Amino acid sequence: GAVVSQHPSRVICKSGTSVKIECRSLDFQATTMFWYRQFPKQSLMLMATSNEGSKATYEQGVEKDKFLINHASLTLSTLTVTSAHPEDSSFYICSAGRDLPSYNEQFFGPGTRLTVL
Amino acid sequence: QQQVKQSPQSLIVQKGGISIINCAYENTAFDYFPWYQQFPGKGPALLIAIRPDVSEKKEGRFTISFNKSAKQFSLHIMDSQPGDSATYFCAASMGTSGTYKYIFGTGTRLKVLA
Repeated sequence: GAVVSQHPSRVICKSGTSVKIECRSLDFQATTMFWYRQFPKQSLMLMATSNEGSKATYEQGVEKDKFLINHASLTLSTLTVTSAHPEDSSFYICSAGRDLPSYNEQFFGPGTRLTVL
Repeated sequence: QQQVKQSPQSLIVQKGGISIINCAYENTAFDYFPWYQQFPGKGPALLIAIRPDVSEKKEGRFTISFNKSAKQFSLHIMDSQPGDSATYFCAASMGTSGTYKYIFGTGTRLKVLA
């Protein structure tokens, strides 16, 4: 499988600060990158989909001004949690999508554990 | 109609046994069905995937069975090992280039007893 890195793996911040999470596709150019949020013992919740050079598409209920996504290149996407609050504490996971004829494979990063105090 | 229903929620299997996890979907537009394995504190890893034009796919100890008419697919883990203890997610996908999206099942926590 393909390799996707995420940085940082863990971050603790104070309420009101902004946190940036990087997602890199290391060995292939990703057509699309995805950002998910996962609560303990729950499934993955898609937050947004981003294509290189265009604005991200956010899922219903996800605040685009709070979760800023930038997809600068085919191998890098960033998620910035602005003015983070304790309720934003969660496990954030990105994935890089590789388009094949008729379908898309997604390869996930290792995740970032965000704790907002 | 966009949901993927996964069962069981949790599963305990003896070492060497067969683990079976089931998923069902409604939307016939789904055309790609991957399975992911996730260990605590880690991102999901792609295990095996199938497209609806085949009824079964096997990779090592992992097999996907796909029943298009019943809109169901399942993961079989043969000779289950303690190292297989993890959470497994099925997913279904549809779309076109640039619009693909996965719908995930709720997950199954598998514990394999030594």
